[in-house]
Amino acid sequence: RKEVEQDPGPFNVPEGATVAFNCTYSNSASQSFFWYRQDCRKEPKLLMSVYSSGNEDGRFTAQLNRASQYISLLIRDSKLSDSATYLCVVNLMTTDSWGKLQFGAGTQVVVTP
Amino acid sequence: EPEVTQTPSHQVTQMGQEVILRCVPISNHLYFYWYRQILGQKVEFLVSFYNNEISEKSEIFDDQFSVERPDGSNFTLKIRSTKLEDSAMYFCASSEAPGLLDHTDTQYFGPGTRLTVL
Repeated sequence: RKEVEQDPGPFNVPEGATVAFNCTYSNSASQSFFWYRQDCRKEPKLLMSVYSSGNEDGRFTAQLNRASQYISLLIRDSKLSDSATYLCVVNLMTTDSWGKLQFGAGTQVVVTP
Repeated sequence: EPEVTQTPSHQVTQMGQEVILRCVPISNHLYFYWYRQILGQKVEFLVSFYNNEISEKSEIFDDQFSVERPDGSNFTLKIRSTKLEDSAMYFCASSEAPGLLDHTDTQYFGPGTRLTVL
């Protein structure tokens, strides 16, 4: 089983619409969760950290469900500039493994005019 | 806004040659990392580094790889004898601390070095 799994997409979204997608992680001891975005052939850029209670940053909302081991990202009022690959990232955060980020393969979002 | 920088942006080398990839982490960060991404694949962890020591390394990080912080600002990844399968984008990242408070474990990535081994 993959450590972090994502639907690869692509999710084709009309401008102004809402899109949501999930990611699942295999290790229930994982402590820290993030969404990064990656544009083609560029570096991962932090979109938002994911807190246990869920959090919102403008048009972006992230949720964490520890019982089912999944993280979700919702994008409201999609903009053309939201077109990217969204990477689900998990950090185990134990004394032996505190900095090893585990990446999903990414979910591609394409926002169309 | 402070950022991680990497040089060169693109490195082409012959199989068997040594390459050194350079990174300048964010200045107040103390934890440093290297990741790689083979074209079309996911980002993979290589190594973490703190206090002039490797903290953790993946199975990819074999004897041909080494890391060093030669001075107060640079962090380098050396590949001693490159193979065709080392062709990838190599990302450096840094973080303040691994703690969970305020998500200080958040890692910030540099723009990457595209390594092409011929």
